[in-house]
Amino acid sequence: AQTVTQSQPEMSVQEAETVTLSCTYDTSENNYYLFWYKQPPSRQMILVIRQEAYKQQNATENRFSVNFQKAAKSFSLKISDSQLGDTAMYFCAFRTKPISNFGNEKLTFGTGTRLTIIP
Amino acid sequence: EAQVTQNPRYLITVTGKKLTVTCSQNMNHEYMSWYRQDPGLGLRQIYYSMNVEVTDKGDVPEGYKVSRKEKRNFPLILESPSPNQTSLYFCASSQGFGRKTEAFFGQGTRLTVV
Repeated sequence: AQTVTQSQPEMSVQEAETVTLSCTYDTSENNYYLFWYKQPPSRQMILVIRQEAYKQQNATENRFSVNFQKAAKSFSLKISDSQLGDTAMYFCAFRTKPISNFGNEKLTFGTGTRLTIIP
Repeated sequence: EAQVTQNPRYLITVTGKKLTVTCSQNMNHEYMSWYRQDPGLGLRQIYYSMNVEVTDKGDVPEGYKVSRKEKRNFPLILESPSPNQTSLYFCASSQGFGRKTEAFFGQGTRLTVV
């Protein structure tokens, strides 16, 4: 069974600074996807960034980037130039790629990191 | 606008009173799923559906039922709710068939069982 671990329950950082959220996972699969989701106080789950395991290049979306270390099973999220609107709970999630392309596409989530951006 | 719609957003009910949380998506997605979110546990899968009339249990299915009679709808049914089902519930959909596209989530339903 896959597991996802987020070891930082809470973090805070000054506005405009850079912050890195850590995530490690455990799997015996070779093909899978990794995601970071943001959950602001509105409770909506918003996709921040996605990484495909077979791609060595780290994904980037504007101020958000990841450091994907497949051998170490690590998938950290870096937020640059942090903004007040980045205040949220952040979840790391893992999804296998079914071999038959017809199977459970379950997302396995970590327990989340509550990030607060301080003005 | 592509979206997953859940109703209601908030619900307070009493133990044993049957309830249904509806979920509808307008993206013609094959795959749909229900999760519950609890503090310190993240989100856990309750049930999923790969297509119409194809459903199966996730990690925490006890006390829940689902149905998938139409592609767009995937209701979650609690036949006899208990206080340990007090939680935040999310419906999600994605294209399915192993495609790499993201999962879209509904707005969440905050359920309290007293």
